Amino acid sequence: TQLLEQSPQFLSIQEGENLTVYCNSSSVFSSLQWYRQEPGEGPVLLVTVVTGGEVKKLKRLTFQFGDARKDSSLHITAAQPGDTGLYLCAGAKGNKLVFGAGTILRVKS
Amino acid sequence: KAGVTQTPRYLIKTRGQQVTLSCSPISGHRSVSWYQQTPGQGLQFLFEYFSETQRNKGNFPGRFSGRQFSNSRSEMNVSTLELGDSALYLCASSFERDQPQHFGDGTRLSIL
Repeated sequence: TQLLEQSPQFLSIQEGENLTVYCNSSSVFSSLQWYRQEPGEGPVLLVTVVTGGEVKKLKRLTFQFGDARKDSSLHITAAQPGDTGLYLCAGAKGNKLVFGAGTILRVKS
Repeated sequence: KAGVTQTPRYLIKTRGQQVTLSCSPISGHRSVSWYQQTPGQGLQFLFEYFSETQRNKGNFPGRFSGRQFSNSRSEMNVSTLELGDSALYLCASSFERDQPQHFGDGTRLSIL
């Protein structure tokens, strides 16, 4: 059983569409991190959210941390082929990261 | 600023052998964590080292071990390799504990 449930598992969309990836848990985390991983490479840190209700924007990406610090979402506006990759959420419990199973995003041009 | 460096990038071993993987953290980072990534289980935490001491351990058998040196570089060792140990092994470093972690590109270990 995954401590962090991430959905959807797969997403295939056309360039220009919007999408949201969800990360849910029954546990409270001290912080939550979002990573993007491409084949043959390690995960690259996109953002860390710490405060309940926090919203962070990174160009076309918007990250939100739930008020209770148990869930998070990643919204991408006007997706581009370069956004293709595996998106991972990870909740921090002390210095141990608990990862969701990931969302494979494919953006077609 | 150089990122996290892992060596080797690829490794092929046979069952029963042992292997040592190396990780050099980002300069100034003192905490190093190791993760195993497989298609079936995703990313799973192995252990964390800080100030040459193991601070946290995941749910893996004793065949998996590690250490950290005074310069914060870390190694992990897997003994008596099994087919199921085939995976991408990722190392991540952070400046202090409880800080965002930055990953290397991993070592792809294949067991024949």
